[in-house]
Amino acid sequence: AQSVTQPDIHITVSEGASLELRCNYSYGATPYLFWYVQSPGQGLQLLLKYFSGDTLVQGIKGFEAEFKRSQSSFNLRKPSVHWSDAAEYFCAVAPYSGNTPLVFGKGTRLSVIA
Amino acid sequence: GAVVSQHPSRVICKSGTSVKIECRSLDFQATTMFWYRQFPKQSLMLMATSNEGSKATYEQGVEKDKFLINHASLTLSTLTVTSAHPEDSSFYICSARAGAGRTDTQYFGPGTRLTVL
Repeated sequence: AQSVTQPDIHITVSEGASLELRCNYSYGATPYLFWYVQSPGQGLQLLLKYFSGDTLVQGIKGFEAEFKRSQSSFNLRKPSVHWSDAAEYFCAVAPYSGNTPLVFGKGTRLSVIA
Repeated sequence: GAVVSQHPSRVICKSGTSVKIECRSLDFQATTMFWYRQFPKQSLMLMATSNEGSKATYEQGVEKDKFLINHASLTLSTLTVTSAHPEDSSFYICSARAGAGRTDTQYFGPGTRLTVL
């Protein structure tokens, strides 16, 4: 069965520092991968998605993610973090069957300090 | 991206009453909608999947008589928490998808905070 692992529960970075959030997936076929962000008390907003093609995907708010099949990873990166990036980040994989929902990781909470 | 709205954003009710939460896809037709529940500092827990015009499919452990889901049109799904109790207090999030393909993105509503006194 497909699954998503986000190894880091909580990460703290300084404002202006670079960021990398890890995501590993378990999937038998070509994965369709997503990153969502959730601000406190809000729903989830799609940051970016990967279906095929270029393995480096650009998203909104200056985020990017790189798909590495050999490592079964889809890590999210940002070169310079802003205080407003503090939120919960979820990695997800689309299932085999189209009519079933995304499979989410448990999330990584990002704190940004001055 | 597509917009999904939820109403109300926050509701406080007395124990034993029923609460209805609406989820609307504003600029696309959603063949499938999903309802999630989220506890503080935890990931989303899928409650049920609903397709327009058919009965919802509930996840194991979710009481379908307590959490009534109606997907009456391609732009509206409702979740009714019947005879709510304090343990039903939670953050409820809906999600909508235009198609049934793997490439069809799930768009999420802003969530509804339910507090049962």
